[in-house]
Amino acid sequence: SQQGEEDPQALSIQEGENATMNCSYKTSINNLQWYRQNSGRGLVHLILIRSNEREKHSGRLRVTLDTSKKSSSLLITASRAADTASYFCATDANDRGSTLGRLYFGRGTQLTVWP
Amino acid sequence: DTGVSQDPRHKITKRGQNVTFRCDPISEHNRLYWYRQTLGQGPEFLTYFQNEAQLEKSRLLSDRFSAERPKGSFSTLEIQRTEQGDSAMYLCASSPGSGNEQFFGPGTRLTVL
Repeated sequence: SQQGEEDPQALSIQEGENATMNCSYKTSINNLQWYRQNSGRGLVHLILIRSNEREKHSGRLRVTLDTSKKSSSLLITASRAADTASYFCATDANDRGSTLGRLYFGRGTQLTVWP
Repeated sequence: DTGVSQDPRHKITKRGQNVTFRCDPISEHNRLYWYRQTLGQGPEFLTYFQNEAQLEKSRLLSDRFSAERPKGSFSTLEIQRTEQGDSAMYLCASSPGSGNEQFFGPGTRLTVL
């Protein structure tokens, strides 16, 4: 059963703008991860944030985690056309709170960055 | 290239045929996962192995599906008597253990005619 739900489903911006994607989930988690997928390709891991962390940075990426609201956000600063892809959040627990090591993905946010 | 590899990348088959996919994980990773992804959806878990032991199978994995990981190295996913509903991208991932990031392969796109 899927747990994470991304918002918005689609986001269209100009190069240079910032892109913010949100993820909500239902139960306690150990960690939350963000992945990127170019059309028709495999997923690329972007960042993992653990439940005791509130914010992590990696290059132009900033991820926040609010366990009280059961939500996370992914911010891509100074976006580029090459950032065009689908972005997925994944949790390590299903909507019944069971953690088994596998990942539970949302449906993703399709980001389009126009040059 | 020391990433996760999958073979074939594309497979077109006729309904009723059997197909087999292979995944080679990152060599030091003891966990290997199979996911299925359909258009517009996120990946859905199918099954995973810790070394050679298959620890969990999703209810999505009907009895037509079987996965193996002999010797805890590469893994195969076989689908028998394929149906049009099996058309999807089949993704393999590996990780060094639970609670870690998973490294995904490029996927095998299956089309059942």
